Amino acid sequence: NAGVMQNPRHLVRRRGQEARLRCSPMKGHSHVYWYRQLPEEGLKFMVYLQKENIIDESGMPKERFSAEFPKEGPSILRIQQVVRGDSAAYFCASSPKSALYEQYFGPGTRLTVT
Amino acid sequence: GENVEQHPSTLSVQEGDSAVIKCTYSDSASNYFPWYKQELGKRPQLIIDIRSNVGEKKDQRIAVTLNKTAKHFSLHITETQPEDSAVYFCAASKMGSQGNLIFGKGTKLSVKP
Repeated sequence: NAGVMQNPRHLVRRRGQEARLRCSPMKGHSHVYWYRQLPEEGLKFMVYLQKENIIDESGMPKERFSAEFPKEGPSILRIQQVVRGDSAAYFCASSPKSALYEQYFGPGTRLTVT
Repeated sequence: GENVEQHPSTLSVQEGDSAVIKCTYSDSASNYFPWYKQELGKRPQLIIDIRSNVGEKKDQRIAVTLNKTAKHFSLHITETQPEDSAVYFCAASKMGSQGNLIFGKGTKLSVKP
């Protein structure tokens, strides 16, 4: 049973470009969470999605950030017009419907904005 | 909203000694408390968790205790080994709710051989 997959693992963007991060949940999991980890800090919740629905985006900045989880395909976290402060590791986690709190993390995407 | 405090931020122990990491939470409605281990450059891995209807849970060399009244929970690692060196994060959540985890800032554990 494959775990949570994320790609790319490393992403370098210049200021002003767009970053697209992808997450495929574990087989059988239909719930996806995105977290951001700044260097030397803990993980901060950004957004929680089910297929075709954003359930909670309270942790996501209102501007430049968006997320989706289409009926087919991976969940995507999109950051438009990136700035240096967006440099961080972005982790997604998935959980089964029966236990939303049991979250299994992907390997993360390390975004560097130059 | 929920706030999780974690102490200490760094911890250095000799191989074979015990290590204890403590967390406090603010929201009395939180009822699920996982611990994650993160090695450098890798994903957080769930190592143990505890629910609010249990006071203690043990899995080989690791154990977690929960004091609901005081709103704190602790991770105990006995007979530490160099491979236990990592950053450990505590978190809090509400089962039956939307499930997003509120994390502490982490403890960097170094086990010296």
